[in-house]
Amino acid sequence: EVQVVESGGGLVQPGGSLRLSCSASGFSFNNYAMNWVRQAPGKGLEWVSGISGSGGSTYYADSVKGRFTISRDNSKNTLYLQMNSLRAEDTAVYYCAKAGNWNVYFDYWGQGTLVTVSS
Amino acid sequence: QSALTQPASVSGSPGQSITISCTGTSSDVGAYNYVSWYQQHPGKAPKLMIYDVSNRPSGVSNRFSGSKSGNTASLTISGLQAEDEADYYCSSYTSSSTNYVFGTGTKVTVL
Repeated sequence: EVQVVESGGGLVQPGGSLRLSCSASGFSFNNYAMNWVRQAPGKGLEWVSGISGSGGSTYYADSVKGRFTISRDNSKNTLYLQMNSLRAEDTAVYYCAKAGNWNVYFDYWGQGTLVTVSS
Repeated sequence: QSALTQPASVSGSPGQSITISCTGTSSDVGAYNYVSWYQQHPGKAPKLMIYDVSNRPSGVSNRFSGSKSGNTASLTISGLQAEDEADYYCSSYTSSSTNYVFGTGTKVTVL
């Protein structure tokens, strides 16, 4: 059974940093791209960042480029999102999502972890 | 990259069919057969319902179907059931730097 479980969310002050983790199981982790998708309270879904199976290619939404860094450790089946220079508008539930074939859709999602940026 | 446009809400009675539209541009929906649809119940994670415009993952009811014409994709739910009441989001691969774009979301209400 495919499972992805996020952790690391919490309350952080504006300008602060936070690192999210996503532990995956039930599939060959290094064979699939992974993504982070967020949802602000009461709002829609927003793709944040993606990384290829090998980790050699990374992609970012314009809203987080230069502030967030996605990475993965295939030996630990774990995906990360390092978030720096956090802003109030980064407040959201952050979902880890496994990419489907050809990396054009998201077939398994975690339960999400809440990040709140507030003083 | 602007979000894909969906109606804010759609409603129907049990047993009826409803259709949710998802309008994009020639850089996303119109350019690729890579439209997917997600169902999200309150407080839950999104669930993949349709991928590559019209394909259903294993375990998803055949009451859900997808199609596309030009820059607009559609999700049809037939034989509407109470459990179908949820938010639905479309998504498309895009040639822009963002790679993916989601729709604005549609709240489906079963009357």
